[in-house]
Amino acid sequence: QKEVEQNSGPLSVPEGAIASLNCTYSDRGSQSFFWYRQYSGKSPELIMFIYSNGDKEDGRFTAQLNKASQYVSLLIRDSQPSDSATYLCAVRAGGGNKLTFGTGTQLKVEL
Amino acid sequence: DGGITQSPKYLFRKEGQNVTLSCEQNLNHDAMYWYRQDPGQGLRLIYYSQIVNDFQKGDIAEGYSVSREKKESFPLTVTSAQKNPTAFYLCASAPGTAQETQYFGPGTRLLVL
Repeated sequence: QKEVEQNSGPLSVPEGAIASLNCTYSDRGSQSFFWYRQYSGKSPELIMFIYSNGDKEDGRFTAQLNKASQYVSLLIRDSQPSDSATYLCAVRAGGGNKLTFGTGTQLKVEL
Repeated sequence: DGGITQSPKYLFRKEGQNVTLSCEQNLNHDAMYWYRQDPGQGLRLIYYSQIVNDFQKGDIAEGYSVSREKKESFPLTVTSAQKNPTAFYLCASAPGTAQETQYFGPGTRLLVL
């Protein structure tokens, strides 16, 4: 069983719609959760991090964490073609400094 | 202009050759990391360092070596023992505080001739 799982996609949404990206993790001791965006051929860039159960909003992005169900999600409101990229979920286990990454979900925002 | 730099952008390795990838940061971060990314796969940790003159193996350290002689620098050597080195190599750094947010350099793409 993979430690961090994401649907590889592609996830296609029309411009202006809400894109919902999901991630599940296996280590119940995980404490920190990160979403990175990676454009083709480029390095990952941090979008958001979340530590506590519930929602965290930053502009068009909302991260949602449910530790009991061991999932974290990223919502992108008013999706734009420039949001088309691969979104990587990363999890840091409790007491450690290493991140475990999922394989990423490819998002395509269509005009 | 603070950030993480990696060089070269592209690197070609011949059979049996060792090559070294450079990673430099001027963010005053304590922790530095090396990842490998293959198509369709997530990032896999090769080596990491929490402090100068100390480093630990990650999940796929075989065929790689590192050094951390300066806080700003964390070079990665891909040795001839690494039989499948073609990949996108990413260096990251983090402040070293309890809540570790890692920031990535632009990456080096290694190809085998």
